[in-house]
Amino acid sequence: AQSVTQLDSHVSVSEGTPVLLRCNYSSSYSPSLFWYVQHPNKGLQLLLKYTSAATLVKGINGFEAEFKKSETSFHLTKPSAHMSDAAEYFCVVSEKKSSGDKLTFGTGTRLAVRP
Amino acid sequence: DAGVIQSPRHEVTEMGQEVTLRCKPISGHNSLFWYRQTMMRGLELLIYFNNNVPIDDSGMPEDRFSAKMPNASFSTLKIQPSEPRDSAVYFCASSYRGGSNQPQHFGDGTRLSIL
Repeated sequence: AQSVTQLDSHVSVSEGTPVLLRCNYSSSYSPSLFWYVQHPNKGLQLLLKYTSAATLVKGINGFEAEFKKSETSFHLTKPSAHMSDAAEYFCVVSEKKSSGDKLTFGTGTRLAVRP
Repeated sequence: DAGVIQSPRHEVTEMGQEVTLRCKPISGHNSLFWYRQTMMRGLELLIYFNNNVPIDDSGMPEDRFSAKMPNASFSTLKIQPSEPRDSAVYFCASSYRGGSNQPQHFGDGTRLSIL
């Protein structure tokens, strides 16, 4: 069975400082991993995905994530936070099954950005 | 490029009434997913379709919930009769199940309040 743990439910940073949102996963197979962002009253938007190619994945809006198999981690980072980054972020693991791709969502990390 | 379109955006109704939520997936996508999001339980997969056929409905809470996909461009999620505990944000997502772990694209959701 696969699972995702987002280690922090809330993270607060100052504008212009680095962002680190942590995610650990467990999976029986070689998983695909995603980060999604959800702004208020909006659906989830894909930030980036890892599908067994390069371990360092670059996404939209300056975000990137590094897949570390030895640590079973897929942490999301950004060098410099912007006010518009304030949102909820979900780490997602996907396993391919004969019946379809099964997604497991983390519980989310709410990012606050202080002026 | 139109994304996933959900209607209505907001629905307020009294318990016992029938509620129908609608979704138009992205053209060319062959998988469609219905999710429910609440503060207590986070994001839950209710049901998903491949090529208009329901594949896994194990997440549907009870018989009061039903979903249909009569064609590739339309799906409905129906609750009859509705109860206050059904209040949540319901998301529809679509993807193309042809490549390796293609990401899901989400609509902006329907915020449902059952009084």
